[in-house]
Amino acid sequence: KQEVTQIPAALSVPEGENLVLNCSFTDSAIYNLQWFRQDPGKGLTSLLLIQSSQREQTSGRLNASLDKSSGRSTLYIAASQPGDSATYLCAVRRGSARQLTFGSGTQLTVLP
Amino acid sequence: DAGVIQSPRHEVTEMGQEVTLRCKPISGHDYLFWYRQTMMRGLELLIYFNNNVPIDDSGMPEDRFSAKMPNASFSTLKIQPSEPRDSAVYFCASSYLAGEANEQFFGPGTRLTVL
Repeated sequence: KQEVTQIPAALSVPEGENLVLNCSFTDSAIYNLQWFRQDPGKGLTSLLLIQSSQREQTSGRLNASLDKSSGRSTLYIAASQPGDSATYLCAVRRGSARQLTFGSGTQLTVLP
Repeated sequence: DAGVIQSPRHEVTEMGQEVTLRCKPISGHDYLFWYRQTMMRGLELLIYFNNNVPIDDSGMPEDRFSAKMPNASFSTLKIQPSEPRDSAVYFCASSYLAGEANEQFFGPGTRLTVL
């Protein structure tokens, strides 16, 4: 059974700092990995999706990497802003299955 | 595109009552997913459909839960009778198989409170 872990559970940084969020998974036979953002009381917004054949994806100040062999993904946020404050979730899709298995998330607070 | 639409956004009901949650997926998407989010268990898949057909309902907690997708643009999740432990945020998501990434797009969720 796939298990997805995100550490730390919460992170607080000053504005302008670069930061890395971590995601690990137990079964390396994944089809893709998706990073989401969730604001309080809101739904999930897809940030980046990395296919199993890819090493990284970039969107603006966000960069996600994937190392299947070690079962790890990182989300790098450059020059953090208070508007980046949210919970960040990673989710993996395994093989032919369509469903996603989610981590418990990292709650990020960027202090002005 | 309006994205995935869910209604109601909030629902407060009493134990034993029937609850129906509704979802309209993104037009053209052929997969629809129902998830539940709680503090204790995080996000869990309940059931998903492909071309309106239920494919995997192994996440449905008990017979009190049922889901239907009568057409490509509408799905319901019903709880009858509801219990306080069903209180959670219920999300609907959709995706498009032929899209290379098969990325899932989520609705805003329905916050259910069962008293």
